[in-house]
Amino acid sequence: EDQVTQSPEALRLQEGESSSLNCSYTVSGLRGLFWYRQDPGKGPEFLFTLYSAGEEKEKERLKATLTKKESFLHITAPKPEDSATYLCAVPLTGANNLFFGTGTRLTVIP
Amino acid sequence: NAGVMQNPRHLVRRRGQEARLRCSPMKGHSHVYWYRQLPEEGLKFMVYLQKENIIDESGMPKERFSAEFPKEGPSILRIQQVVRGDSAAYFCASSPPGAGGTYGYTFGSGTRLTVV
Repeated sequence: EDQVTQSPEALRLQEGESSSLNCSYTVSGLRGLFWYRQDPGKGPEFLFTLYSAGEEKEKERLKATLTKKESFLHITAPKPEDSATYLCAVPLTGANNLFFGTGTRLTVIP
Repeated sequence: NAGVMQNPRHLVRRRGQEARLRCSPMKGHSHVYWYRQLPEEGLKFMVYLQKENIIDESGMPKERFSAEFPKEGPSILRIQQVVRGDSAAYFCASSPPGAGGTYGYTFGSGTRLTVV
């Protein structure tokens, strides 16, 4: 059964304190793993897509990596404006719809 | 380039009334997906449509919920005889044809439905 699990559920960091968010997945024939950012009261905003193990993508203070079983979203020297819920998602086997994890709620304290 | 447009942003309905949520996809996108986000829960897939066709409605509750995407006009998610448990944020997303599973979606800002 396709499954996506994100950890931790919530993370509080001091400004400048680097950390990583985890997304573990089980899906047959991964066709991509997606990271989104969601601010309160808004829709998810696309960040990255990773397609194969070993792939890495970066955007400002964020770097996403992918292995055969999990993906990490590394946050380097975070700022308060990085506070949001970070969601990962995979396409279900044989479908076009994305299955989302429950997210990690990140709070960066000044 | 307008993104995915959803309206209304907020909708209040009394129990038993009907709720209609609208979604206009991004320009050039012909596939629409509806998701529901309950308080403190993740995004749950409801239905996937293209113009005049429902492709996958495996996440749609069997009763009271329906969706359409006509040849002209926005996609509509309709909830009949709403109950308090329908209170949630409803998000629409769009993608180019067949690409949602490969390239991901663009989401709208959502409609927050409150049933009183």
